[in-house]
Order: sequence, then structure tokens, then C-alpha cells
Amino acid sequence: DAKTTQPPSMDCAEGRAANLPCNHSTISGNEYVYWYRQIHSQGPQYIIHGLKNNETNEMASLIITEDRKSSTLILPHATLRDTAVYYCIVRPNFGNEKLTFGTGTRLTIIP
Amino acid sequence: SAVISQKPSRDICQRGTSLTIQCQVDSQVTMMFWYRQQPGQSLTLIATANQGSEATYESGFVIDKFPISRPNLTFSTLTVSNMSPEDSSIYLCSVNQATSSYNEQFFGPGTRLTVL
Repeated sequence: DAKTTQPPSMDCAEGRAANLPCNHSTISGNEYVYWYRQIHSQGPQYIIHGLKNNETNEMASLIITEDRKSSTLILPHATLRDTAVYYCIVRPNFGNEKLTFGTGTRLTIIP
Repeated sequence: SAVISQKPSRDICQRGTSLTIQCQVDSQVTMMFWYRQQPGQSLTLIATANQGSEATYESGFVIDKFPISRPNLTFSTLTVSNMSPEDSSIYLCSVNQATSSYNEQFFGPGTRLTVL
């Protein structure tokens, strides 16, 4: 079973920040939070990951609560190309642990 | 980052036949993963393939139905055997690359299979 809970769908206006929430209340101490997205008819694409500190890269920012039981992926200026299914996944950041996908959030960017 | 290619990109097959999907990676990797994505659904892991050993299958998937080969560190095949319409899915190959600073999984473009 997936260890994360996400809303099934969200809309966001183009140019605005898209904030995608994820609950992972049973996360273990050695597990990181990973975000992937899947644009229609493509393989999933890595976005960002973090342990307990907030992280930022060229694609997005990741905000993890202090108790690590939830997180938010932020796309600062959403474009139409950001329309995709976004998956929040928890797993250890070592070894060859498999990714277990939940149902994700279908994000639609509205022009 | 690893670059993964899959062949074929799509196929339409008849019930009862088999299809072998190829996955090629541009670098050597220890573990490769095969996922299935049924229409409108999330990804489900079929099996994990290590070079030189038998693949490890997830619950609900068996070797007779989904035989996997892993002849070297850059290549793997997944066969979908004795196909039925319920096997119509996208099949994705994935690899893991880990260093001291990151542990990232990369995905191929997928093979879209339709069984009539």
C-alpha cells in the first residue's frame, strides 16, 4: 500500500503558484519524501526530494513540516506544460529501494 | 542522469500471442524495474531485475506470465505471455542510480500495448 495521501485533482491558474499537498503520517526516520510527475503518455519524471529541510531546485520547492508528517510541492509560476499527475512517494534515500506509487494528484493548469 | 529507451514504443497484438519489450540504458545499472500502468491508473511494480539472478516478482505477478531477462548491466527484456485484453497497458522500464548524495529513479518512455 502507498504510504502517502494526496488529493485526486487540483486546478491552478496559469502564472500562479501551484501548491500540491501530501500527507505521509507514517513516514519513518530514514525515509525521504520524493516527488515525481507524469505528463500524459510519458514516463514519470523526477522533480525533487527532501528529508526534513525545505528544498528548492530549478523546477520546484518542497516544504516539509517540522514533524515530517506532511509536505507541499510548490510550482512557483505554473505553465500549461505543468499539467500532469504528481506523485508524492516516501522511501529510504539509499540502496536500490523500489518506488511505490499511489494515486497521485492530477494537476490541471487553466489558461 | 540515465537515459532509457524502450522498444517497441507501441504495439497492437492479438489475444493469445506474446510480446517481448526491450529496455536499453545508456549506463551500467545494478537494478532494473518493470512497471505496468493500466488505463487511467497509477503505476504498479511488476518485478525487480538484477543482472545474473532471477527477477523478483511482486504479489500478483508470476514468471510464467511475465518472464524477464537481464543478460547484462545495460539491458533487460519483459515478455507479456499469452496475452488477453486485460494486459492492455503501458509497460515502463525503470532504473535506479545512487551516489553518496542522491538516490534517483529514472523511467523509460513506456511501451503502449493494446490487446485485441
